[in-house]
Amino acid sequence: QVQLQESGPRQVKTSQTLSLTCSVSSGSISSGYHWAWIRLHPGGGLEWIGSISHSGYISYNPSLKGRVTISVDTSKKNLSLDVTSVIVADTAVFFCARGRGDIYGHFDLWGKGIQVTVSS
Amino acid sequence: QSVLAQPPSVFAAPGRKVTISCSGSSSNIGNNYVSWYQQLPGTAPKLLISEDNRRPSGIPDRFSGSKSATSATLAITGLQYVDEADYYCGTWDSSLGVWVFGGGTALTVL
Repeated sequence: QVQLQESGPRQVKTSQTLSLTCSVSSGSISSGYHWAWIRLHPGGGLEWIGSISHSGYISYNPSLKGRVTISVDTSKKNLSLDVTSVIVADTAVFFCARGRGDIYGHFDLWGKGIQVTVSS
Repeated sequence: QSVLAQPPSVFAAPGRKVTISCSGSSSNIGNNYVSWYQQLPGTAPKLLISEDNRRPSGIPDRFSGSKSATSATLAITGLQYVDEADYYCGTWDSSLGVWVFGGGTALTVL
């Protein structure tokens, strides 16, 4: 059974870069799915950060104003997220998720999430 | 503020039925599939309903989804204490070019 596991620093200083990794336990990371980062804000509410499709097409949420980079390392079966110039409002639980088909497809598998706190 | 509107909380007794609404617009719910997710505290969100009303394998038929125009509804019958969780709706927004979600609804079984 495929599992997703997020990892990375749990505390980041403001203005620094947050880097997270999602490990895919089995199966191919490049076949027939899109891979996404989604975050849950402290007050509630999920926010889609962006997705990378099986063909390599990447789409980001404009709300993050160009601070985000998502990439895939197919050999290591890792999905990565970088968020630059973080602010306190970036504090959230970050999830990686697998989406069916192209980037419009629903998310059929999620990681447990990693709590990241941004502070000065 | 979330693009999709959900009630913050719902309450119901064990064995009863509860519905959770998700309201959007023509650019999201009105023209794209809606999916529903359940999140128990400290666990990974789980897909409950895809493509408006399809239940993935392993999801009990107590859970059902429906959609009309720009609103979607998740119904849970035969409520059990294990159903206490946060529930989120989500869909693609064709105008914004992003996935959008509701703010989440906390279900309490009392």
